[in-house]
Parts: sequence; C-alpha cells; structure tokens
Amino acid sequence: NAGVMQNPRHLVRRRGQEARLRCSPMKGHSHVYWYRQLPEEGLKFMVYLQKENIIDESGMPKERFSAEFPKEGPSILRIQQVVRGDSAAYFCASSPFVMDRGEKLFFGSGTQLSVL
Amino acid sequence: AQKVTQAQTEISVVEKEDVTLDCVYETRDTTYYLFWYKQPPSGELVFLIRRNSFDEQNEISGRYSWNFQKSTSSFNFTITASQVVDSAVYFCALSEKNYGGSQGNLIFGKGTKLSVKP
Repeated sequence: NAGVMQNPRHLVRRRGQEARLRCSPMKGHSHVYWYRQLPEEGLKFMVYLQKENIIDESGMPKERFSAEFPKEGPSILRIQQVVRGDSAAYFCASSPFVMDRGEKLFFGSGTQLSVL
Repeated sequence: AQKVTQAQTEISVVEKEDVTLDCVYETRDTTYYLFWYKQPPSGELVFLIRRNSFDEQNEISGRYSWNFQKSTSSFNFTITASQVVDSAVYFCALSEKNYGGSQGNLIFGKGTKLSVKP
C-alpha cells in the first residue's frame, strides 16, 4: 500500500514565481490536510479538504495561497508570487475519516520549498 | 486557547540510556486526543500513538511508553534503552473535538530533537 505521496520533494523558486505542490492521499482516504513547518517550529495547520470541497481554510494566508482537491487527481497547494518567507516544508496528510473522531493522520514526506 | 508545549528543544543521550520527552497541553475541551509523531532525518512524520482524553491508562509498546496525566495536562513519552535509530525530532500534538475552530486541526508542539550517540 502506497502511503501519502508528495511531489516534488524539493522545489526551488525565485521570488515572484508560482509554486505548485502535489499530494496524492493514501488509497481509500478522502480527507486531505496541508500543514506548513517553518524552521525550528512545529507543524501549523493550513487547510482541510475533501474531494472538490474546501472544508476549513482557517490556517491559510488570505492572499497568494490556494488549495484544491479535484474529483480526479492529486490535491494541489498553490502559492502565487512566492516570497522568501514562504520557504518552509509543506506536509500533506490524509485520513479515511474526519479528524473529530480522533483519527490519526498519515503524513507524506513533505515538499521543501526554497525561495531564492 | 489550545496549546502544546514541548519545553525540551534538544536532548542528547548515550545509547542504552532512558530518556523522557515532556509534553504539556492546554485545552478547554473535555473530549480531545493526544498524539506523538516521530520525524526522522528523512523528513516524513511517523505516527507513534494516539490517546483519547477518557483513557488515562499508561501504554507500553516495546521500548516506548507513554504517561498520560490529566491532572497535570501532561502526556510524556519515555524511550527505554535508547538506540541510535531513535534519533529524530519528536512531536506531541493535540486534537480537540469541539473547540479549536477546525476539523482536522492538529495542534503541534515545536518538537524535541533527540540525539542518541553510540
């Protein structure tokens, strides 16, 4: 069974470019979560999606960031006009049920975004 | 407010020593879940344990054990006879049922970096 797959593993962008991070959840999982890990910090929740729906984006910056989880294909976290402060590790996680049942999250290996 | 505090930023031990990683949490909810995740140098997060707020029994899994005490809002993690492969960053996390604003919102501590030297 493949785990949560994230690509690319490393992404380098120059200021002002767009970054697209992809996440394929575990088979059978319809709930996807994105977290960001800044250096020396724990993970911070960004957004929670189900297929074709954003359920909670309370942790997403209001500008430049967007996420989707289409009916077919991976979930995409998109960052437009990246700035140096966006440099971080971005983790995707999935679960078969909603978290309020205390379900554990299965995490991917993350995408390390570096903005030059 | 919900919060997870891991006061130990880094710990260094010699192989075979026992080590305890501390985790203190704050929550307004009566129903919540606590987790420990391990992040080895390769970067992925590995689930270790989940505990709900109604189950205060301590748990042991091989060399790992967890001590959950609601009275002190702590969920500490002990590794017995540590090994070099235990070297990683360990995160404690909290999930609330009713508060916290969002489903799927795991609140993480800043992590404790454990280095086990041979």
